[in-house]
Amino acid sequence: NAGVMQNPRHLVRRRGQEARLRCSPMKGHSHVYWYRQLPEEGLKFMVYLQKENIIDESGMPKERFSAEFPKEGPSILRIQQVVRGDSAAYFCASSRGTTTPGELFFGEGSRLTVL
Amino acid sequence: AQSVTQLDSQVPVFEEAPVELRCNYSSSVSVYLFWYVQYPNQGLQLLLKYLSGSTLVKSINGFEAEFNKSQTSFHLRKPSVHISDTAEYFCAVSVRAQKLVFGQGTRLTINP
Repeated sequence: NAGVMQNPRHLVRRRGQEARLRCSPMKGHSHVYWYRQLPEEGLKFMVYLQKENIIDESGMPKERFSAEFPKEGPSILRIQQVVRGDSAAYFCASSRGTTTPGELFFGEGSRLTVL
Repeated sequence: AQSVTQLDSQVPVFEEAPVELRCNYSSSVSVYLFWYVQYPNQGLQLLLKYLSGSTLVKSINGFEAEFNKSQTSFHLRKPSVHISDTAEYFCAVSVRAQKLVFGQGTRLTINP
């Protein structure tokens, strides 16, 4: 009875490297959301995806960040050329669809540290 | 655009005491309101939600929240807290689809 699975749970990168965070939604869920939590701040929406489609990326930084949710496999949040300001906890959530507003199921997060 | 303000970043209380975690929101349209809880080293879990109907909503573990449209508030309350309630609590609003706007969070600490 797996929930939303995120890996890695902890990731350390040096400035300029790439970070890839993976999210497998709950069984039967086809909608995935990524949120970022900076230290001492709430969660900020980044992107909302359905299989093979980006529905809303209004919270994604314009450069270096990208997300995908392929037909097969997990959703990937990719951060290129990381900087110290990218250090944060990245949470993935999933849902069946839009019939029940706000009922998202969250993973335990991936904590990125940029040295 | 919507915004959520949680007025207290930390709330320490003694075990079995009552607690209120405050949440105010701003929106020009009708919203759905939620409280999520995050236990240490875990993801967020939905605690309770207001979609429509009765303005008082309750969770299975004794929390309740009341939607007050005139004051644009959705405060979370519990009459008697337990050590196991120690967690961070997030208020959130949603207007469309599943895009949630979260507050900054309130860390609830229960002292024995």
